[in-house]
Amino acid sequence: SQQGEEDPQALSIQEGENATMNCSYKTSINNLQWYRQNSGRGLVHLILIRSNEREKHSGRLRVTLDTSKKSSSLLITASRAADTASYFCANSGGSNYKLTFGKGTLLTVNP
Amino acid sequence: DSGVTQTPKHLITATGQRVTLRCSPRSGDLSVYWYQQSLDQGLQFLIQYYNGEERAKGNILERFSAQQFPDLHSELNLSSLELGDSALYFCASSVASGGHGTEAFFGQGTRLTVV
Repeated sequence: SQQGEEDPQALSIQEGENATMNCSYKTSINNLQWYRQNSGRGLVHLILIRSNEREKHSGRLRVTLDTSKKSSSLLITASRAADTASYFCANSGGSNYKLTFGKGTLLTVNP
Repeated sequence: DSGVTQTPKHLITATGQRVTLRCSPRSGDLSVYWYQQSLDQGLQFLIQYYNGEERAKGNILERFSAQQFPDLHSELNLSSLELGDSALYFCASSVASGGHGTEAFFGQGTRLTVV
């Protein structure tokens, strides 16, 4: 299965702290994407990192990709209560380019 | 607002029934994807259409079918519904011609409850 696995499954931190979520995947990828989902709502794209990139930044988000270890990490700096959500990694690999999602990390940022 | 519109937002129906979920992609997006999200299975890819043609198939049951129309909107038909079909169904769209080479934009989902 191409399904990614996020780690940890749940993370609880205080406002202002940094949050790090990890993602592992099993097959070769074209790119890896991170999405955010507020409870019961649609997924929102956060950032995409291509397989030939190692690190990417977007505002308070920093994503790294290690294709040799088939892993990626998402760092949210200076977290806010509004960052409370589930975060999913998704990879686009294989021959048909479908996006395969992991089970997500539930991040809770306490005010 | 992602620009992807899904209707209805909520649907309650009985076992054995058939329902149709509708999705309008973002303007200009040719690819439409359907996903099912449940607590135990997570987010599962069902099927992808590109410009009216089926492009990729995932864990879609034979009781489920989909199509994309010339105006690019898509419908997901679920028949002979079972209690286990209760889930959030998401539609997503992207500009990518071959698939998810770029980001996908998700609708707000249809929450289906089968009673």
